[in-house]
Amino acid sequence: ELKVEQNPLFLSMQEGKNYTIYCNYSTTSDRLYWYRQDPGKSLESLFVLLSNGAVKQEGRLMASLDTKARLSTLHITAAVHDLSATYFCAVGYSGGGADGLTFGKGTHLIIQP
Amino acid sequence: ETGVTQTPRHLVMGMTNKKSLKCEQHLGHNAMYWYKQSAKKPLELMFVYSLEERVENNSVPSRFSPECPNSSHLFLHLHTLQPEDSALYLCASSRQVYTEAFFGQGTRLTVV
Repeated sequence: ELKVEQNPLFLSMQEGKNYTIYCNYSTTSDRLYWYRQDPGKSLESLFVLLSNGAVKQEGRLMASLDTKARLSTLHITAAVHDLSATYFCAVGYSGGGADGLTFGKGTHLIIQP
Repeated sequence: ETGVTQTPRHLVMGMTNKKSLKCEQHLGHNAMYWYKQSAKKPLELMFVYSLEERVENNSVPSRFSPECPNSSHLFLHLHTLQPEDSALYLCASSRQVYTEAFFGQGTRLTVV
């Protein structure tokens, strides 16, 4: 069974600070996705990471993938209040009864002024 | 209209009712999904369809019945639900079953 673990699950931080969210997964995959969800809303795709060493950046967010370590990180630089949301990582896998994307539990991020 | 569209956005139903959720995608994708999101559990994958064939069914109770008549439409038929089935039901589609998924806005279901 494919398992995806995120940590931390809850993060409260101040504006201007840096922090990293971690996503570990249990089986070989080179497809890792990050999504954002605002309260009461659906999921919005942030990053698609498709190879070992992939790094993507958008504004204050940067995501990376290490397929050998089965680890992805989402780094937040100089956080601002607008980044408050829940962030999910998801691993893409096909076969073995686990077709589709398996999501982590999400990291609920609150950024305080 | 583009993207993934779900209807209705909100639904309140009694435990003896029968209702259906509808999902339509205009992205030309081959795979479609139903996810359940509740306060108590993370995103749970319920059903996966690839080219209109069901490829995944994660031990979902039979009171949930999916239907995929073509690659653009996906339904979730509901009958004799329980209050614990109240949740946000999200539909998604992707080019292949393991590629980036695009989500609809969800149906907020309340079972009374």
